[in-house]
Amino acid sequence: SQTIHQWPATLVQPVGSPLSLECTVEGTSNPNLYWYRQAAGRGLQLLFYSVGIGQISSEVPQNLSASRPQDRQFILSSKKLLLSDSGFYLCAWGLAGVEDTQYFGPGTRLTVL
Amino acid sequence: QKEVEQNSGPLSVPEGAIASLNCTYSDRGSQSFFWYRQYSGKSPELIMSIYSNGDKEDGRFTAQLNKASQYVSLLIRDSQPSDSATYLCAVSGSGGSNYKLTFGKGTLLTVNP
Repeated sequence: SQTIHQWPATLVQPVGSPLSLECTVEGTSNPNLYWYRQAAGRGLQLLFYSVGIGQISSEVPQNLSASRPQDRQFILSSKKLLLSDSGFYLCAWGLAGVEDTQYFGPGTRLTVL
Repeated sequence: QKEVEQNSGPLSVPEGAIASLNCTYSDRGSQSFFWYRQYSGKSPELIMSIYSNGDKEDGRFTAQLNKASQYVSLLIRDSQPSDSATYLCAVSGSGGSNYKLTFGKGTLLTVNP
C-alpha cells in the first residue's frame, strides 16, 4: 500500500530565515505530487504540482519554490520566510489518469514569528 | 477562476440524525468530485468520490452528483459525534488539467450527543 510522509511535523521559524519541507511517497511510481497551504480560516491553496522528476508548475507567485529531485520526493523551500507564510503545509500524491484522486500527507504546521 | 462553494456552517445535528452537506461548482467540464473529512489540526482524509450523475453509497455516507445543476452533496446517515469535523468538497479541473483539484473552504459539522 502507498504511504506519504512529511517532515517536520511542526516548525517555528523567524522572519527572514530559510525553509525546507520534505515529502516522500512510498509504494508507488511516478506519482503526481502537490504542495498545498491551508491558512487559518481559509481553504486549501494549491502552491505547486509536479507530474514528473524535474517538472514543477507554480500556481501562485510568491517567495516559495519547489523541487522534485527524485521520483517520489517533493521539497518546498524558501530563501526568506515572511509572516504571511505561516500555515499548514500539506503534500499530496495522486496517480496520473487514475480518477484524479489525491491523498494527503500528515502536514507540517509552520509558524513564522 | 474556477470556484467551489460550500456553506461554511457550522452545521449542527443531533446524534443519529442525517447530516446534509452541499457544494456547487463553476467548471462545467469537471468530471471528478470528492469529499474529504478534516479533523481539527489534522490533514484531509478522502471519504467519497463520485464521477457519474446519481447517488453513490458507502456505509453511512451517500454522495449525490447532478452535473446539469453543477451540484454535489454528501449525506451522512446515523450521524455520530465522531463525524464532527470539517468536510471539504473538491472538484477536478477540465481541459487537460483534470489532475488539479479545486477545494471549497469546507463546512464545519458538529454532531451533538
